Amino acid sequence: NAGVMQNPRHLVRRRGQEARLRCSPMKGHSHVYWYRQLPEEGLKFMVYLQKENIIDESGMPKERFSAEFPKEGPSILRIQQVVRGDSAAYFCASSLGQGAEYFGPGTRLTVL
Amino acid sequence: GENVEQHPSTLSVQEGDSAVIKCTYSDSASNYFPWYKQELGKGPQLIIDIRSNVGEKKDQRIAVTLNKTAKHFSLHITETQPEDSAVYFCAASKGSGGSNYKLTFGKGTLLTVNP
Repeated sequence: NAGVMQNPRHLVRRRGQEARLRCSPMKGHSHVYWYRQLPEEGLKFMVYLQKENIIDESGMPKERFSAEFPKEGPSILRIQQVVRGDSAAYFCASSLGQGAEYFGPGTRLTVL
Repeated sequence: GENVEQHPSTLSVQEGDSAVIKCTYSDSASNYFPWYKQELGKGPQLIIDIRSNVGEKKDQRIAVTLNKTAKHFSLHITETQPEDSAVYFCAASKGSGGSNYKLTFGKGTLLTVNP
């Protein structure tokens, strides 16, 4: 059973560009979470999605950030008009909805 | 909202010694407490978790204890090995469905096991 997959692993963008981060949950998992990790910090919750539904986006900035988890395909975290402060590691996690969250390897976003 | 404090921020031990990392939480409704190990350049890996209906859980060299009254929980690693060196995160959630599953993390403990 493959784990949570994320791509790309590393992403470099210039200020003002768009970043698209993809996450494929573990097989059979229908709950997806996105977390952001700043250097030497713990992970901060951003958004919780189930298929075709955003359940909780309380941790996501209201502007420039959006997330989706379509019926088919991976979950996407989209950051428009990136700024240097968006540079971080973005982790996706999935679960069966009963507690344990399994994390992917992360996408490290660098904004130049 | 929930707030999780984790101590110490760094911990250095000799191989074979024990390591203890402590966390406190603020929301008495939290009932699920996982611990994650994160190696450099990788995602967090769940190593052990505990729910609020038990006080202690053990898995080989790793154990977690929970004191609901005091709202703190601890990770114990015995007979440490160099490969235990990593950043360890505690977390808490309400864990009962819907948005209650989101985890609140501590800031992490960098554990170094010296051979």
